[in-house]
Amino acid sequence: SAVISQKPSRDICQRGTSLTIQCQVDSQVTMMFWYRQQPGQSLTLIATANQGSEATYESGFVIDKFPISRPNLTFSTLTVSNMSPEDSSIYLCSVGQTPYGYTFGSGTRLTVV
Amino acid sequence: DQQVKQNSPSLSVQEGRISILNCDYTNSMFDYFLWYKKYPAEGPTFLISISSIKDKNEDGRFTVFLNKSAKHLSLHIVPSQPGDSAVYFCAASTKIQGAQKLVFGQGTRLTINP
Repeated sequence: SAVISQKPSRDICQRGTSLTIQCQVDSQVTMMFWYRQQPGQSLTLIATANQGSEATYESGFVIDKFPISRPNLTFSTLTVSNMSPEDSSIYLCSVGQTPYGYTFGSGTRLTVV
Repeated sequence: DQQVKQNSPSLSVQEGRISILNCDYTNSMFDYFLWYKKYPAEGPTFLISISSIKDKNEDGRFTVFLNKSAKHLSLHIVPSQPGDSAVYFCAASTKIQGAQKLVFGQGTRLTINP
């Protein structure tokens, strides 16, 4: 299965600023997925990123708040823009497909103060 | 609208005994169900999956049972080991507009006591 390197692993940011999270995969993949896990909650899909096209966002998530780049088949970034304390969460990237399972990055723990 | 629910936030089991983690779902269009294990400061790790057309899948100490009529699945870990202490997420997969998507439960924290 693929190996994902995600960074940063954690950050503390001021409200109103932006943070860009990077995910590097050790093999070429068609789709990459970005998730958010708010404190005490389940993982929620933010968007699906395909190389060469715009990301597809889930209900409740918009491109202006969570812009995504996918410049090639091994790399993607998620930016959390104009942050507020409600954005404090763990953000994870993922690749894979059912039934073989999805591989996740180690996550970025974001705290907005 | 929580389509996948894990109603037990925590479970404590004696080492060597069986751990049973439960999950309920509402969407009959889910085609696969998956279990993930998550340690602190790490991403979830895939454990085992089951197709919606099966009722059981086994892999070593891990067995997943699916009861479609009850829209219920469970993960059995036998025997339980201290390294099994983690948060376990149930997830369900469905195809929406050509894309496979996962919906996760809230997780159950399993603690194995020596």
